[in-house]
Formats: sequence, C-alpha cells, structure tokens
Amino acid sequence: GAVVSQHPSRVICKSGTSVKIECRSLDFQATTMFWYRQFPKQSLMLMATSNEGSKATYEQGVEKDKFLINHASLTLSTLTVTSAHPEDSSFYICSAREGRSSSEQYFGPGTRLTVT
Amino acid sequence: RKEVEQDPGPFNVPEGATVAFNCTYSNSASQSFFWYRQDCRKEPKLLMSVYSSGNEDGRFTAQLNRASQYISLLIRDSKLSDSATYLCVVNLNTGGFKTIFGAGTRLFVKA
Repeated sequence: GAVVSQHPSRVICKSGTSVKIECRSLDFQATTMFWYRQFPKQSLMLMATSNEGSKATYEQGVEKDKFLINHASLTLSTLTVTSAHPEDSSFYICSAREGRSSSEQYFGPGTRLTVT
Repeated sequence: RKEVEQDPGPFNVPEGATVAFNCTYSNSASQSFFWYRQDCRKEPKLLMSVYSSGNEDGRFTAQLNRASQYISLLIRDSKLSDSATYLCVVNLNTGGFKTIFGAGTRLFVKA
C-alpha cells in the first residue's frame, strides 16, 4: 500500500524559533498533499492544500505567513511553523493523494510539536 | 451546523457486542465517504469506504444513505482491539477537492 512518512515524529522547540516538518510519499507520486492539525480530543482540521509546483491553498483562519508550505516535488512537501508559540503546540499530520481524480488520502504518522 | 456530525460517545461495550455509529453530513455535493480509525496519538488509518450499496469487510459493515445524508458503521462481535476513535470522512468537490473530518466517535471495548 501507499506509504507516507513524516519527519520528525516529535519536536520540542523554544518560543520564537521556527520548525520544519517534512512529508514524503515513499512509493507513489503525490500530486496533492494536505496538512492537518489536531488538538487533543478534537478532530483533524485542514490547514492547507498543497499542489506540486504551485502555491498552497490555505483554509480560513490559517496564517499563510506563519505556516509556510512548500511542495517542490511530487514526493515532498514541507510545513514550516515560523516564530512558534506555545499555542502552536499540536499534532501535525500530512496526507497525500496520488492522482487528481483519486479520493483516497494516505496519512503520514504525524509530528507532535511542543513549543515551550 | 457542522458539515460532518458524529456522536462523540464514548461508547462502552463488552467484548462480543454489536455497536453502531452514525454520521450525518450537510453538503449534498459530498461525493465520497469513508470511515477511518484513529488510535490515541496516532494518524488516522482508512477502515473502509462507504457506498450506497453497502460495504462489508469481516465484522465491519458500512452503509450510505444519500437521501437522508447519513453514513453508518456497524461492528459485530467487538474485540478489545477495536477500541479507538472512529472518524467519519466526507470528500467534497465544489470546484476544488476538500475533505471534511467528523470529530470522531470514541469506542471502548471492555473484557
């Protein structure tokens, strides 16, 4: 089956620093990648949709200058949390879709970010 | 009104019980439907797709009712390992592809 990896799986950083999270599709080419955030006991919330080679589409309320997304290749998307604050502490999960007509998403294992 | 609504539970059932979850969606442009399972502090994993004709996979049966805009998941002969959060997921295509997650229904299966 399709495999998506994320790195790092867990990161602790100080307030004000930036953190980069990588999402890779290992055995398929992902035309679209999605970034989600999940707070404890809450549902996954879509942050942005990233299409290879174009700018990401951000959901309402998500600051594009704070959460920088780059989808430079068909197998890699990155999310950079800039000037992180404690309220950014969350579980960040990426998912990837193989083709534009495919409706199934394959999820990465998630990155747990803690900002102190 | 939320686009995808689920009873958060928790559902506490004994091993061997049959349990059913429902999920309602509000957007009639919804095109495809899934149930995902999420264990604590883990990523969601696809459990099964949902079709109007019904979809059965072992102890799990999923059903879609487009007229009433709801999706169901039935688990028969519950196992301890079924304890998890079950997410109802709806894909929309309204000029752009979008996935909406329900908040999930928590299930605890006890010995």
